[in-house]
Amino acid sequence: QVQLVQSGAEVKKPGASVKVSCKASGYTFTSYGISWVRQAPGQGLEWMGWISAYNGNTNYAQKLQGRVTMTTDTSTSTAYMELRSLRSDDTAVYYCARVVPAAIGWFDPWGQGTLVTVSS
Amino acid sequence: QSVLTQPPSVSGAPGQRVTISCTGSSSNIGAGYDVHWYQQLPGTAPKLLIYGNSNRPSGVPDRFSGSKSGTSASLAITGLQAEDEADYYCQSYDSSLSEGVFGTGTKVTVL
Repeated sequence: QVQLVQSGAEVKKPGASVKVSCKASGYTFTSYGISWVRQAPGQGLEWMGWISAYNGNTNYAQKLQGRVTMTTDTSTSTAYMELRSLRSDDTAVYYCARVVPAAIGWFDPWGQGTLVTVSS
Repeated sequence: QSVLTQPPSVSGAPGQRVTISCTGSSSNIGAGYDVHWYQQLPGTAPKLLIYGNSNRPSGVPDRFSGSKSGTSASLAITGLQAEDEADYYCQSYDSSLSEGVFGTGTKVTVL
């Protein structure tokens, strides 16, 4: 079955960076894109950006431009999201999701989520 | 700040029908971009409920239905069940932002 499995929880200090992985299985990785979505405690969903697993094209949320980088490793069917210069308001659960059928499609399935806590 | 607006909460008794609105603008829903809906049960990842405005993935009960008109979309739940108690989010694309966008989210409570 189509599945996305994310890396484990992280605790980081303000100013540090975090890199979350998302390993895909059950489908042809390069045929779809991956989006990243985050959810702060008790808050709604926030779209962070999208990467094409076919050619590496990206589109980032304006709010995160300059701090976020999304990449893929097609040899291992894994997507990565790196967020730099972490602040306390970056504390959230970070989700990856397969985008169907293209950059502006729907998200299915989702990874299980990775809690990133930013605290001094 | 979300560009798609949803009511914070809706509630209904078991068996009743509830609807959740998702109001956008001429740069997202009104521009013709599709609306998709997700259900998020407490402590879990969101799950696709409706795609392409009104299509249900396999396994989603036909109690859930979606529609779109003008700059808004709606999710209807008929025959409300206790297991439907969750947060629901709409999602689309905004051409002025060139970004994906989510609704503010709606908590459904079964009385």
